[in-house]
Amino acid sequence: GIQVEQSPPDLILQEGANSTLRCNFSDSVNNLQWFHQNPWGQLINLFYIPSGTKQNGRLSATTVATERYSLLYISSSQTTDSGVYFCAVGVAGNKLTFGGGTRVLVKP
Amino acid sequence: DGGITQSPKYLFRKEGQNVTLSCEQNLNHDAMYWYRQDPGQGLRLIYYSQIVNDFQKGDIAEGYSVSREKKESFPLTVTSAQKNPTAFYLCASSRGQGKSYNEQFFGPGTRLTVL
Repeated sequence: GIQVEQSPPDLILQEGANSTLRCNFSDSVNNLQWFHQNPWGQLINLFYIPSGTKQNGRLSATTVATERYSLLYISSSQTTDSGVYFCAVGVAGNKLTFGGGTRVLVKP
Repeated sequence: DGGITQSPKYLFRKEGQNVTLSCEQNLNHDAMYWYRQDPGQGLRLIYYSQIVNDFQKGDIAEGYSVSREKKESFPLTVTSAQKNPTAFYLCASSRGQGKSYNEQFFGPGTRLTVL
């Protein structure tokens, strides 16, 4: 099956800093989503981005499908950005395969 | 409000008992999914259903069963055959295979603990 790798596994930031999270995948996909999991476990949809670039406030994402990677950018980080960020990709049947996540801690 | 609901939020089970987790959606989505998350890890697919009265096994289906009698509902039963059932269970839905913009949305989850 498809492999999804996220890096870095852990990230500690000072409030106000910028960061880049990376997601590499091993095969062509027809779906790619970024999620933020809050401390209560809820998965919050950030981006649906099988290709191209999108922005939503301080967050933006880019997927280069031909090179099999996606990047999530966090600018001017806030303590509420803390949590785990997951990349998930979908192929046939629209099942999602998740990466291991990047654990982000933003310090005040 | 449109969304996905899961119940109960917390569930405790004795070894040897079957338990059923509820998942309901009012988004008019055709497809529904069940995932399992263990501490410090990503989600893994248990079962999914693209349409009413049809479902397929995911990557870790052993010890679980599902039904899809209604479009809105996709209950998951954790049977006594599941060796390590303690985990966080998340339900999701999407418009369905073949639809453009097939984004998955998730419910709040159920934390199952086997005593």
